[in-house]
Amino acid sequence: AQSVTQLGSHVSVSEGALVLLRCNYSSSVPPYLFWYVQYPNQGLQLLLKYTTGATLVKGINGFEAEFKKSETSFHLTKPSAHMSDAAEYFCAVSNNFNKFYFGSGTKLNVKP
Amino acid sequence: DARVTQTPRHKVTEMGQEVTMRCQPILGHNTVFWYRQTMMQGLELLAYFRNRAPLDDSGMPKDRFSAEMPDATLATLKIQPSEPRDSAVYFCASGLETGVEAFFGQGTRLTVV
Repeated sequence: AQSVTQLGSHVSVSEGALVLLRCNYSSSVPPYLFWYVQYPNQGLQLLLKYTTGATLVKGINGFEAEFKKSETSFHLTKPSAHMSDAAEYFCAVSNNFNKFYFGSGTKLNVKP
Repeated sequence: DARVTQTPRHKVTEMGQEVTMRCQPILGHNTVFWYRQTMMQGLELLAYFRNRAPLDDSGMPKDRFSAEMPDATLATLKIQPSEPRDSAVYFCASGLETGVEAFFGQGTRLTVV
């Protein structure tokens, strides 16, 4: 069975500050891990993904995430928040491109 | 610019009416997902298809929901009869079996009054 837990339904940071969105997963097999972003009234857009290989994954818009197997975590970070980063972020786990299991989402607010 | 296209974008209907939502996956993608998003439940997988065959529809209420792929370029999700609790945003996503990520459409916002 697979599942995703996102800690913090709302995160607020100041513009220019570090963004850290937390994701822990449960998977009985080596997982594929994803971060998606959703802007208001839009669909989900892939930010980055981990399949195999390098555990530090870089994505679009300056985001990156690190796969830590020992901690079953895949936290999303960005060194310096921008106002345009305000959105909802979803962590997801998949197994060999079958079902995608999504976390409950974290809304990121960026203060000027 | 390849993208998943969903129609309609918005739908308001009265309780008891039939609702049909359509999805055009990215050309060449052989896997299609239907998700429902609500404030309370988040993103729920309703069904998914591979090569037009349903692989899993366990997340879908069978008594009123049905999903089909009449051909490789069209996926449909029907609700009959619709109920107020079906109000949600319904997303379609597609991808390649040999790939890893799913590409999402912009969703259909359904309101049942």
